[in-house]
Amino acid sequence: DTEVTQTPKHLVMGMTNKKSLKCEQHMGHRAMYWYKQKAKKPPELMFVYSYEKLSINESVPSRFSPECPNSSLLNLHLHALQPEDSALYLCASSPVRDTISQYFGPGTRLLVL
Amino acid sequence: GESVGLHLPTLSVQEGDNSIINCAYSNSASDYFIWYKQESGKGPQFIIDIRSNMDKRQGQRVTVLLNKTVKHLSLQIAATQPGDSAVYFCAENNAGNMLTFGGGTRLMVKP
Repeated sequence: DTEVTQTPKHLVMGMTNKKSLKCEQHMGHRAMYWYKQKAKKPPELMFVYSYEKLSINESVPSRFSPECPNSSLLNLHLHALQPEDSALYLCASSPVRDTISQYFGPGTRLLVL
Repeated sequence: GESVGLHLPTLSVQEGDNSIINCAYSNSASDYFIWYKQESGKGPQFIIDIRSNMDKRQGQRVTVLLNKTVKHLSLQIAATQPGDSAVYFCAENNAGNMLTFGGGTRLMVKP
């Protein structure tokens, strides 16, 4: 299984809602990443987990809260988002925290109303 | 086309022609570069990589060239096919072993 899966594919939420994005991989990778991608822009790194521990937080607002329950799962909890947070949220994984073999999921397209 | 920030440069080629997509990178200390392909509605897909101690690397129908003197990277696609239509991003390995993506170029293949 060389796939990173993400659910849901699409999400519409209001600014007062709480929702979660989920990411799963069964490749035995020990590093997982969240990226944010706005339309016509490159992905921007948000968080990095290495061996289930948060190793990098790229100054992301606290309304985004990552969680890594185990080595296969990565969540992104969303609360009190703003319309400008609407974007494609990409999850990626790699064997360890290196850049050579990052596998990306298809993303969750989020719309905040 | 190179990334210029607020819009996606577009390269339009005829099916069967060769395509060259360019990228300028910023960090002279980067030691690793990757090209990704992103189709509509999908995440980025790894195409080919190159280390900074190399000038050229070839894959299947793709070649990456690295010019460290001018901090320039290019992706050459031979015999471009409709399935090659996508947005192409270069990425560099910056400090802390994290990826920084370039602005992207849209490749459109005309049948």
